[in-house]
Amino acid sequence: AQSVSQHNHHVILSEAASLELGCNYSYGGTVNLFWYVQYPGQHLQLLLKYFSGDPLVKGIKGFEAEFIKSKFSFNLRKPSVQWSDTAEYFCAVNADTNAGKSTFGDGTTLTVKP
Amino acid sequence: NAGVTQTPKFRVLKTGQSMTLLCAQDMNHEYMYWYRQDPGMGLRLIHYSVGEGTTAKGEVPDGYNVSRLKKQNFLLGLESAAPSQTSVYFCASSRSGEGNIQYFGAGTRLSVL
Repeated sequence: AQSVSQHNHHVILSEAASLELGCNYSYGGTVNLFWYVQYPGQHLQLLLKYFSGDPLVKGIKGFEAEFIKSKFSFNLRKPSVQWSDTAEYFCAVNADTNAGKSTFGDGTTLTVKP
Repeated sequence: NAGVTQTPKFRVLKTGQSMTLLCAQDMNHEYMYWYRQDPGMGLRLIHYSVGEGTTAKGEVPDGYNVSRLKKQNFLLGLESAAPSQTSVYFCASSRSGEGNIQYFGAGTRLSVL
């Protein structure tokens, strides 16, 4: 069964600091990869996705993620965070043998101090 | 463009009571899901459906039942609520062929006393 591991449970940064959130998955086949974001009091929404092609994908609000197949990783990055990026971030993987279902990581809470 | 709508938004139950959470989507999605979200445990899949009339167990199905009688609706039932079912419940849907991008509802906060 596929699994997703997010290394940091809670990250605290000051505004303008750079962000990198780690995500590793365990599955050897073809995968679709996602980062979802949940702002305080809101529902989850898609931040960015990787299906195929360029392993560096860009999402909304200046976020990007890099798929490194050899490391089974899909880390999320942002060069300069803002207070409004305070949220919980979830990595998710959809495997080719598990159509219609994704496995989510436990989430990383990001707090950005103004 | 409503997307995924969950009702109710909040509910307080006593132990042993029953209730049904309703999820409706207007995007003609084939797949629908029910998750629970608990602090430090992320999202855990309760049940899901790959089409009208079909349901399947997820990671934490015990104590819950579901039905998908219409393509646009996915109901989650608690027959005899327990305090361990206090949680935030999210419904989601996705389209076949879209790589399983999931669209989430606003959530239902349930407290079982």
